[in-house]
Parts: sequence; structure tokens; C-alpha cells
Amino acid sequence: AQSVAQPEDQVNVAEGNPLTVKCTYSVSGNPYLFWYVQYPNRGLQFLLKYITGDNLVKGSYGFEAEFNKSQTSFHLKKPSALVSDSALYFCAVRGDTGRRALTFGSGTRLQVQP
Amino acid sequence: DARVTQTPRHKVTEMGQEVTMRCQPILGHNTVFWYRQTMMQGLELLAYFRNRAPLDDSGMPKDRFSAEMPDATLATLKIQPSEPRDSAVYFCASGQPTGRREKLFFGSGTQLSVL
Repeated sequence: AQSVAQPEDQVNVAEGNPLTVKCTYSVSGNPYLFWYVQYPNRGLQFLLKYITGDNLVKGSYGFEAEFNKSQTSFHLKKPSALVSDSALYFCAVRGDTGRRALTFGSGTRLQVQP
Repeated sequence: DARVTQTPRHKVTEMGQEVTMRCQPILGHNTVFWYRQTMMQGLELLAYFRNRAPLDDSGMPKDRFSAEMPDATLATLKIQPSEPRDSAVYFCASGQPTGRREKLFFGSGTQLSVL
């Protein structure tokens, strides 16, 4: 079975400050890890993914994520938050065997204050 | 820009009625997913198809839900009979699920309210 944990329901950060949204995962085999963002009344949008290679993955809108195999984590980061980054963020995982569909975390609401 | 189109955007119905949700995946994508989003359960996978063949529908209540892809441009999700607990936002997503280009494109969802 595969699973994702996002331990924070909400993260608050001031504009211009760095942000981190946490994600840990459990999966059989090699992990394929993703971050998606959801704005109100919209579907999810792809931000970035880790398949293999460098542990630091760069994605859209200045976001990046750090893969840590020993801690089974894939935290989303951004050096300087914008008010427009306020949204719901989902981490997702699938393994390279068995079920190929993504399993999503419960989501973390990011609130960036001006 | 290519996008996944879902209809209807909103549906209000009464318990016991049939509900049909439609999805037009992005042309060329060979995999289609149906997810359901609720406050309590988050995003749950209901079913997915590859090359129009169902690969996994284990997340779907079989007695009332059915999912089909009659052709490559249309995926449908039906609920019959509907129940209040089915109230949720239903998302369709399509993609090329393997390789370097792997990512999903989501539609805007169908918000279903069963009274």
C-alpha cells in the first residue's frame, strides 16, 4: 500500500519569508513523488515531480522540493513567499510496481500574509 | 491551451436520481483518472483507465457507481441511485503517466449536491 502524510493542515508565513510545506510518504519500490496546487474552485495543477536523479527538484512559480530517502520525505519549499502563493497544496506518491495511480495527501493550506 | 473539460460544473439532484458526469480528456493522453474530493476524506481515487481499458476501480462503490470510456474523447462516471453521502467534487484527470513527461492535468471538477 502507498500513503502520504501532510502533518500540517495550515501553514502561515509572511510575504517575503521562506516557506516549507511538509510531506512524508510510504511506498513499495522506488517512489515517484509529486506536488500539486489547488486554487479555489479549480482543479489541481502540477508543480513539480521527483522520479530519479538530483534530490533537489525545481518546479513552477519558484517552488522546489527536497527528496530525502532516509527520512522518506519530500518537503516543498520556496525561498520567498508571495501572497499569490496562498492555496491548497497536495503531495502525492506512487510506486514503480503495482498500482500506478497517485495517492494524495490530505492537503496543506498555505496562507501568505502581506 | 489544451485542457480537460468536465461537465456539468455543478449538479444538484435528489436522492435516488441518476447522475452522469462527463469528461473530455486532453487529446493524445492515454490515461484517465476519476477522483472524488471531500473535506473529510480528501482526494480519493475512484477509477482509472489506460487506453480506454479500466485498470483499477477498487475505490468505487460498485453497487451504485460505474465508470466507462466509450471512446478516447469521452469518459463518464455514473451514480445510480445517488445518495446524500455522494455529495462531493468529482475530478477527472488525464495524462501520460510514465516517463519524464509524467504529470496529470485536472479538469475543474463537477460539484455534486445530493439532497
